[in-house]
Amino acid sequence: EAGVVQSPRYKIIEKKQPVAFWCNPISGHNTLYWYLQNLGQGPELLIRYENEEAVDDSQLPKDRFSAERLKGVDSTLKIQPAELGDSAVYLCASSQGSYNEQFFGPGTRLTVL
Amino acid sequence: GENVEQHPSTLSVQEGDSAVIKCTYSDSASNYFPWYKQELGKGPQLIIDIRSNVGEKKDQRIAVTLNKTAKHFSLHITETQPEDSAVYFCAAYNFGNEKLTFGTGTRLTIIP
Repeated sequence: EAGVVQSPRYKIIEKKQPVAFWCNPISGHNTLYWYLQNLGQGPELLIRYENEEAVDDSQLPKDRFSAERLKGVDSTLKIQPAELGDSAVYLCASSQGSYNEQFFGPGTRLTVL
Repeated sequence: GENVEQHPSTLSVQEGDSAVIKCTYSDSASNYFPWYKQELGKGPQLIIDIRSNVGEKKDQRIAVTLNKTAKHFSLHITETQPEDSAVYFCAAYNFGNEKLTFGTGTRLTIIP
């Protein structure tokens, strides 16, 4: 069975440019998470979806970050405009319900110049 | 909110020796404590977990202990091997607000 798929794996952009990350969760997993992982730190939750509904987006900086999960499967996380401080790894995870094990994708490493 | 502290930040042990990583948490409502292993270029992978009604759990060379009173939990790896080299994260989960809070990680290096 395929794991969580993320693309791109790496992205380098100039500051003020927009960027988007894509995530395909494990088949059948209705809960999807986006995490931010700064260098040398643990992942921090940005947003959690139950099916297509964002049930926890309290940590998402809504002035520049947005996310969507159309049809309750794939998800896209967008940053517009990107800032230097956004350089980090963006991890997607999925689970069968929020009480079960979270499976992580390999992440997208973003570098903002 | 929950705060999880993890020590040490780096740990080097000789192959075959044991490694211990310790974490503390602040929210007494947290009741599930997973440990993740993250290898270079990969996402975190669950290696063992423990629930608040259990004091110790073991899976082959890996064991986790939990002291709810002191809000401490620890990961023990015995007979370490080179493939154990990675970054390890502890985490605390609160079933009430459904939030998983990670520690800051421990970079474990096994010296052959």
